Amino acid sequence: DQQVKQNSPSLSVQEGRISILNCDYTNSMFDYFLWYKKYPAEGPTFLISISSIKDKNEDGRFTVFLNKSAKHLSLHIVPSQPGDSAVYFCAAAYNNNDMRFGAGTRLTVKP
Amino acid sequence: GAVVSQHPSRVICKSGTSVKIECRSLDFQATTMFWYRQFPKQSLMLMATSNEGSKATYEQGVEKDKFLINHASLTLSTLTVTSAHPEDSSFYICSATSGIAYEQYFGPGTRLTVT
Repeated sequence: DQQVKQNSPSLSVQEGRISILNCDYTNSMFDYFLWYKKYPAEGPTFLISISSIKDKNEDGRFTVFLNKSAKHLSLHIVPSQPGDSAVYFCAAAYNNNDMRFGAGTRLTVKP
Repeated sequence: GAVVSQHPSRVICKSGTSVKIECRSLDFQATTMFWYRQFPKQSLMLMATSNEGSKATYEQGVEKDKFLINHASLTLSTLTVTSAHPEDSSFYICSATSGIAYEQYFGPGTRLTVT
């Protein structure tokens, strides 16, 4: 039962443009959402998070939007840079329980 | 930020042998550590959750006798893959938290290849 879904396995964006990565979830109990960035052969690194009581959280070039009614969140990166090229995982958790991860989206930012 | 290390980063072993992977929290006490497995082009799959001093809680479908987890101290957890087979070849990642599951810090991962 995949509770967190990232339906786009890959995304290609031109440098300087906006990258939008999407994530959907099915469990309405989730109350905390996170985005991780992962390079090959490395562990994920935390990028940004959002609590279910908010609908937006911004940190520099990264903004996460949460639409609870649609059970959807997105990560916006603007402007995109070649160094942003990586796999991005969406994760969700509730009641301080373990997190569930999406399948990941591979972002390629072309110079 | 908090640092989690894993050792070894890469290991090749023969079928039927056992392999131990260590996960250490370097600058904080990890009350809980998590072990994940990642197949190529797939998500991180939680294998088990371990709390210091107690038995690990395994996810459904994960064989606890095959994947032995020990969390002997607040800074060290080990995953032992017993009687490894080629299908156990994967990328194993640990994470650690000092109490809040949301705030997990991930290790760099261990690439296991069973020949």
